[in-house]
Amino acid sequence: EIVMTQSPATLSVSPGERATLSCRASQSVSSNLAWYQQRPGQAPRLLIYGTSTRATGIPARFSGSGSGTEFTLTISSLQSEDFAVYYCQQYNNWPPASFGQGTKLEIK
Amino acid sequence: EVQLVQSGAEVKKPGESLKISCKGSGYSFTNYWIGWVRQMPGKGLEWMGIIYPSDSDTKYSSSFQGLVTMSADKSISTAYLQWSSLKASDTAMYYCARSVGYCSDGVCSIFNFWGQGTLVTVSS
Repeated sequence: EIVMTQSPATLSVSPGERATLSCRASQSVSSNLAWYQQRPGQAPRLLIYGTSTRATGIPARFSGSGSGTEFTLTISSLQSEDFAVYYCQQYNNWPPASFGQGTKLEIK
Repeated sequence: EVQLVQSGAEVKKPGESLKISCKGSGYSFTNYWIGWVRQMPGKGLEWMGIIYPSDSDTKYSSSFQGLVTMSADKSISTAYLQWSSLKASDTAMYYCARSVGYCSDGVCSIFNFWGQGTLVTVSS
């Protein structure tokens, strides 16, 4: 089973600034990497798949990059609604299509 | 509009059985995989498995194989997750979700539409 490790566990950033979240896979997942956002009390929302393809309706301030074992989610200018927990998920070698443990993005 | 509507919260005792549901609408239910994701209190997301409602093909995570059963009734566009004997450690929020697309395109195990979640509490 592929283990996904996200860092940092918590990231404190001011509104309007850039946030960079990291995700590392225990072995190569090619470009088969997705990102989700989960706000408190809500279901997760797909942001990005295929490492860098934004899902329908996702603002352009969200971008993804990387390949192999190292991936990054960047939020270019943080809005109030962006403060949430973010999960990466690999779907190259499954089942299971494993999730990372999450990064909590909080207001600085 | 694609919607997944899950059944309501459940409170059960250890050893009891349970079946929760997820009804899809606004799309062709038999053309997309339905997945189940567990979220224990205060914890992250865990991928449990997926089912293809057209033929009930299922793919389980080894962590959940034999512990839960996924099924689907395509005649009423509903997927199910069931337990035969609940444990306190099954206490969690369970989400159903629809796949982005087909396994042949490599995107059947990621999800772009989600249900609201069903909270299952198992306590004596």
